[in-house]
Amino acid sequence: GAGVSQSPSNKVTEKGKDVELRCDPISGHTALYWYRQSLGQGLEFLIYFQGNSAPDKSGLPSDRFSAERTGGSVSTLTIQRTQQEDSAVYLCASSLRQERETQYFGPGTRLLVL
Amino acid sequence: GENVEQHPSTLSVQEGDSAVIKCTYSDSASNYFPWYKQELGKGPQLIIDIRSNVGEKKDQRIAVTLNKTAKHFSLHITETQPEDSAVYFCAATLNTGFQKLVFGTGTRLLVSP
Repeated sequence: GAGVSQSPSNKVTEKGKDVELRCDPISGHTALYWYRQSLGQGLEFLIYFQGNSAPDKSGLPSDRFSAERTGGSVSTLTIQRTQQEDSAVYLCASSLRQERETQYFGPGTRLLVL
Repeated sequence: GENVEQHPSTLSVQEGDSAVIKCTYSDSASNYFPWYKQELGKGPQLIIDIRSNVGEKKDQRIAVTLNKTAKHFSLHITETQPEDSAVYFCAATLNTGFQKLVFGTGTRLLVSP
């Protein structure tokens, strides 16, 4: 079946502009995660959604970052007033509630802030 | 919080050789340890995982070992092939509630023909 999809695959923006990144999780997966991967680094947790529960936002690096998940499916990560240090690959993952430790990742969105 | 260290950062082997990647974790309560393979331009893909109630798990050419006392776990790839070339990440988490994976910094494996 279809895996996790993300769009756009690449995004180039100017410093100070806002960007929106989209994630479509695997159908039926109730848990959704956003991670950030900077060049040559590991994955850094950003935010976690589980069903209708309040999201865990403990990994968001600043108040310029926000995310929402509509209807328990698609999620959007928004970065306001982008900075050059926001340049990274943003990865989304999803998992089944009953197998929540097994996270399936999308291909990521490569963000470049000029 | 949990902290995961991974070594080496790069590893070059000849085709057919074995490769070993090692990780250590800090939180003794962590009990789930997955390994991910990331190919260029793609998202990480789960290749094997282990829970704290076992010491070793194998899947064909891939095996993972866990030493809870020393808080370290390792990925072993035997009979390496060029298509094994990728970046490998270890991770650790508590297997209850929210599954916030804490990742190592990755190992770039290069298998030369």
